[in-house]
Amino acid sequence: EPEVTQTPSHQVTQMGQEVILRCVPISNHLYFYWYRQILGQKVEFLVSFYNNEISEKSEIFDDQFSVERPDGSNFTLKIRSTKLEDSAMYFCASRGQGGGELFFGEGSRLTVL
Amino acid sequence: GQQLNQSPQSMFIQEGEDVSMNCTSSSIFNTWLWYKQDPGEGPVLLIALYKAGELTSNGRLTAQFGITRKDSFLNISASIPSDVGIYFCAGQLNDYKLSFGAGTTVTVRA
Repeated sequence: EPEVTQTPSHQVTQMGQEVILRCVPISNHLYFYWYRQILGQKVEFLVSFYNNEISEKSEIFDDQFSVERPDGSNFTLKIRSTKLEDSAMYFCASRGQGGGELFFGEGSRLTVL
Repeated sequence: GQQLNQSPQSMFIQEGEDVSMNCTSSSIFNTWLWYKQDPGEGPVLLIALYKAGELTSNGRLTAQFGITRKDSFLNISASIPSDVGIYFCAGQLNDYKLSFGAGTTVTVRA
């Protein structure tokens, strides 16, 4: 069964460092998303990406964040200068054309020290 | 953004009991989705609802899309130990954003 894959599964970084989280969405999907979940809290929307551009973003997704689809398969989230409060589980998701179902990856846990 | 109110926040139930949880919103959605999240994993879709009034079942799970398009419920019948987890409702208005409720933590006592 096709699935969304994410790497790394866990990353520990120092405050102020740049982090890149990588995702390989399901191959024929067209809509891509990043969500985050702070420990014990709900899943929060960060950004959606369609047709090679950001289609919607939340107030969490400030100038420190960026997304990129550098080739036909990868979808990345970059955090330019990490803060302690960026520590969370980051989930990538993708969706095909015409369907409401988002498929989530298993997440990348980011710990900022 | 859209706020979803999910209740109850947590529940302890006996194995074999039925479970019910719901979500309400101040704004309408075109799609309601119910996800389950196990520890350390991503949310997994349980049921998707696309039409107001729709009632859909998936095994022991039943969910309904409220007529007003502002609410949805999920029922689990005859709970078993593997039903333990966090259940999230999610509402979608357009193609670009899915908003999640705060989750209902279900613990099953054997």
